[in-house]
Amino acid sequence: DAGVIQSPRHEVTEMGQEVTLRCKPISGHNSLFWYRQTMMRGLELLIYFNNNVPIDDSGMPEDRFSAKMPNASFSTLKIQPSEPRDSAVYFCASSLAALSEAFFGQGTRLTVV
Amino acid sequence: AQTVTQSQPEMSVQEAETVTLSCTYDTSESNYYLFWYKQPPSRQMILVIRQEAYKQQNATENRFSVNFQKAAKSFSLKISDSQLGDTAMYFCAFWSTGANSKLTFGKGITLSVRP
Repeated sequence: DAGVIQSPRHEVTEMGQEVTLRCKPISGHNSLFWYRQTMMRGLELLIYFNNNVPIDDSGMPEDRFSAKMPNASFSTLKIQPSEPRDSAVYFCASSLAALSEAFFGQGTRLTVV
Repeated sequence: AQTVTQSQPEMSVQEAETVTLSCTYDTSESNYYLFWYKQPPSRQMILVIRQEAYKQQNATENRFSVNFQKAAKSFSLKISDSQLGDTAMYFCAFWSTGANSKLTFGKGITLSVRP
């Protein structure tokens, strides 16, 4: 298996623009996570899906952030409008079941200027 | 709420020596898993070791072992015979079986292995 695939690897955008990050989990995995990593706050869980259903979105910073999982093989994280403070590395991870190992993608480095 | 605390922001160790990374957590759950992940400069998150809370025996994986103290809610990682390739950020993580189950990470510690 190719592992968790995220795109793009790098994204530079201007403040106010819409940004969409994409994730393809490992086939057969039924849990998917979106994390944000910054120097100040470390790894923050933004949202967690189980069987395509959002279970916990309490980590989503504000209404500018939204996430979808239309099917078991694809998820998106959208920021609209983007702000400079959204600059971070965004990780997607998937796991076969709760409590098992979470496999991470390579992350998307987002820079908002 | 579940919290994971890694109080040491960075550590340094001489190659071939042993180093211990600390982690504490807070939870009211009785059944959970604990993890250590490694993040080298490549940014990839790699699972190092996993411990099930119901198991009394400490997990080991080659040069990596844990000291799991359930009553103290402590989960430290020991790296023996440190190698230059061990230089990375290390994250402690917690996943419970409770209603609000989710995988929560500490802030991480930067480990540097000196030649």
